[in-house]
Amino acid sequence: DAGVTQSPTHLIKTRGQHVTLRCSPISGHKSVSWYQQVLGQGPQFIFQYYEKEERGRGNFPDRFSARQFPNYSSELNVNALLLGDSALYLCASSPGAPLETQYFGPGTRLLVL
Amino acid sequence: RKEVEQDPGPFNVPEGATVAFNCTYSNSASQSFFWYRQDCRKEPKLLMSVYSSGNEDGRFTAQLNRASQYISLLIRDSKLSDSATYLCVAYTDKLIFGTGTRLQVFP
Repeated sequence: DAGVTQSPTHLIKTRGQHVTLRCSPISGHKSVSWYQQVLGQGPQFIFQYYEKEERGRGNFPDRFSARQFPNYSSELNVNALLLGDSALYLCASSPGAPLETQYFGPGTRLLVL
Repeated sequence: RKEVEQDPGPFNVPEGATVAFNCTYSNSASQSFFWYRQDCRKEPKLLMSVYSSGNEDGRFTAQLNRASQYISLLIRDSKLSDSATYLCVAYTDKLIFGTGTRLQVFP
């Protein structure tokens, strides 16, 4: 069975640009969460979606937004990119309740110049 | 104060050694706890859940002390392949990760 997939794997943007990251959960999983991991730190929670509704939001500015589609895939959007947005963006999927059992995708490595 | 705190290491140990990692969490409402393993430039992978009664998986033993808000991971008979970063995680309504403890096992 395929695990969580993310695209693209790597991305280079410049300050002020916009980026869209995509995630497909494990088949049958209904929840997707997004995390940001900067070098030397643990992943930081950004959003969680379950059954296409936002279930949680971390302490990130409004430049970050996300959505979940009817097929349970998800997009993370970041506007007005800053140098500090350079990080590994991880997507994790859960089958449903309990939502704490999460499986991570390989991530998208974003570099903002 | 970070919600989940870990010693960042690195812990450098020889093959066959026993190594212990500790972690504290600040939110007493945390419901579940986990250890994840993360290899360099890879995604975190669930190593094991942590229960108050303690749980063991082969060479790995995890323990939770709710009164002290303390979590531990013990690795016995370390292998070269155990070299990685070990992330302590608490769950309330989201996963809260520690910074991670880096382990390097040498021959």
